[in-house]
Amino acid sequence: DAKTTQPTSMDCAEGRAANLPCNHSTISGNEYVYWYRQIHSQGPQYIIHGLKNNETNEMASLIITEDRKSSTLILPHATLRDTAVYYCIVRSPNTGNQFYFGTGTSLTVIP
Amino acid sequence: EPEVTQTPSHQVTQMGQEVILRCVPISNHLYFYWYRQILGQKVEFLVSFYNNEISEKSEIFDDQFSVERPDGSNFTLKIRSTKLEDSAMYFCASSGSVPTDTQYFGPGTRLTVL
Repeated sequence: DAKTTQPTSMDCAEGRAANLPCNHSTISGNEYVYWYRQIHSQGPQYIIHGLKNNETNEMASLIITEDRKSSTLILPHATLRDTAVYYCIVRSPNTGNQFYFGTGTSLTVIP
Repeated sequence: EPEVTQTPSHQVTQMGQEVILRCVPISNHLYFYWYRQILGQKVEFLVSFYNNEISEKSEIFDDQFSVERPDGSNFTLKIRSTKLEDSAMYFCASSGSVPTDTQYFGPGTRLTVL
């Protein structure tokens, strides 16, 4: 699986959009970008995933650059409950079905 | 919304004892997983299970670990002789009808080995 690079930590004001970047410059054509988050020591929570096109669901939007070497997770109106560690994971369908979690970005939403 | 459940939420055991961690995956899912997270460290893959057999396992998943789907709903992780370093959060996950489906995680079991 391609390696991802994320900032260690970020702050965001409550009510503002949180934009979490992820670099995956070695991503292959069939590898998906997944985002999960973990609040305290709870189980990782699925947020969104995509291959090439931008994606949006009720939780977030995922913007993938045209060259697919980076992506941004957008939480449109961050709340205090969005404070968590956010993981960007690149997953290949050819190398097994497990997810490899890195250290992620610790997002703190500030009142 | 369907979710993965795990019991117990916290298990305390003495070193050398056997423990069984239980999971109820989402009902129509076919692929099941265990991960663990030692305090302050990354979430690590242990094992995946499909069609009543292990499909993949990591180096962590040695002979002291085993998994089983004893009935149509439960998925268990057994640790035969616990060590201090087995203290961690253990997360169960499940995914749908193909292995590349999104995995949904349970809330975890905190295992403390004394």
